[in-house]
Order: sequence, then C-alpha cells, then structure tokens
Amino acid sequence: EDQVTQSPEALRLQEGESSSLNCSYTVSGLRGLFWYRQDPGKGPEFLFTLYSAGEEKEKERLKATLTKKESFLHITAPKPEDSATYLCAGREAASNYKLTFGKGTLLTVNP
Amino acid sequence: DTAVSQTPKYLVTQMGNDKSIKCEQNLGHDTMYWYKQDSKKFLKIMFSYNNKELIINETVPNRFSPKSPDKAHLNLHINSLELGDSAVYFCASSLGQLIGGANVLTFGAGSRLTVL
Repeated sequence: EDQVTQSPEALRLQEGESSSLNCSYTVSGLRGLFWYRQDPGKGPEFLFTLYSAGEEKEKERLKATLTKKESFLHITAPKPEDSATYLCAGREAASNYKLTFGKGTLLTVNP
Repeated sequence: DTAVSQTPKYLVTQMGNDKSIKCEQNLGHDTMYWYKQDSKKFLKIMFSYNNKELIINETVPNRFSPKSPDKAHLNLHINSLELGDSAVYFCASSLGQLIGGANVLTFGAGSRLTVL
C-alpha cells in the first residue's frame, strides 16, 4: 500500500532557528510530491509541487527539495507566523487525481 | 470571496441520524473531492467527481453517498451516523488532473462532524 511518512511528528523551534522537515514515500511510480500548510481550523493551503529528483522550489523562508526517496522542507530563520502543520502528499502514476497524504509535522516557532 | 466553501462548519448529531454537508466552489474547476481527516490527522480521499461523473470511490461504507448536481457543487450525505464517522470532512477542487503547474488541490475550511 502506498505510504507517505513524515518526521518529526512535532517540532518546536525558536524564532530564527533553521531546521528541516522530512517526507519519505513509497508511492508507486511517484508522479508528484506536494507540500501543503494547514493552520488550526482551516483547510490545507498549497505550497509546492515537485516532480523530479533534484528539483527545488522556494517561497519566502521555505525551500522544498526532492530526492528519489524523500522530500525535505527547509525552513530558514522561521518566524512565529510559520507555525502550522505541514503536510506532504504523493501522487501515484495509477491515478492523476488521487493524493496520498502523510500525517503532517506540527511546527511551533516560539518568539 | 471564498473559493471553496462548505456548510455547515460544525455539525453535532446523534448516532443513527442522517446528515448532509454541502460544498460549492467558484474557481471554475471541473473536479471536486471529499477528503476525511480523522482524529489522527490523516487526510484520506473518499470520493472525486469530474464534470459530475464519479471517478474516485475509495473503500467507504455505502452509508456515505456523494452527489454532484453540477461542476461547482458536491454534496455528501451520510445515513445512519456512527461514532466512528466523527471527523473533519474537507471538500476540495482542482482544474482537471493533478499533473502540474496550477493543477493542484484547493481545499475548503472543513466541516467538523461530531457524532454522540
């Protein structure tokens, strides 16, 4: 069964303390790795899509990278407003509509 | 304007009741989805419709019945509610297949269902 595993489950950082979140996947014939941000009481909000090993995408303090087996979301000099749950999801080759989500990493950035 | 809107946001009901959740999107998308997020926070797809045609139907009890009257609306009706149905249900939409560029899922804010 396709799986997406995220680690750590929770991460607490001080403002300005850079770190990385991990997403490893066993999605068959991965055809896209998606990162979403979810704030409490809200729906997930799209951040990035990565398709090829070696691909990188950046947005403000966030940078997503992709290897053949995992993806990383690097957070540089985080601010308290970056606190949220970060979800990754994989799309398999068998379905152009179905995403398999991980459980997410709850990031808390303290001022 | 809210892109994907769901109603109600909160729903508290007794076991055995029947309830519905409605979803509407104003993005001009042609594909809509229902996802379930349980207490362990996993988001799992339940159903998807493309141009009113059912294209994804995961292993979901047949007490759950989706209906898409048109491309902009997708409703979820649940019969004979059980305790295990308590979860947050998210509606989402996309412009066609999730294959690149702007073709990503846009989610609603969720509908929290509590079954007592």
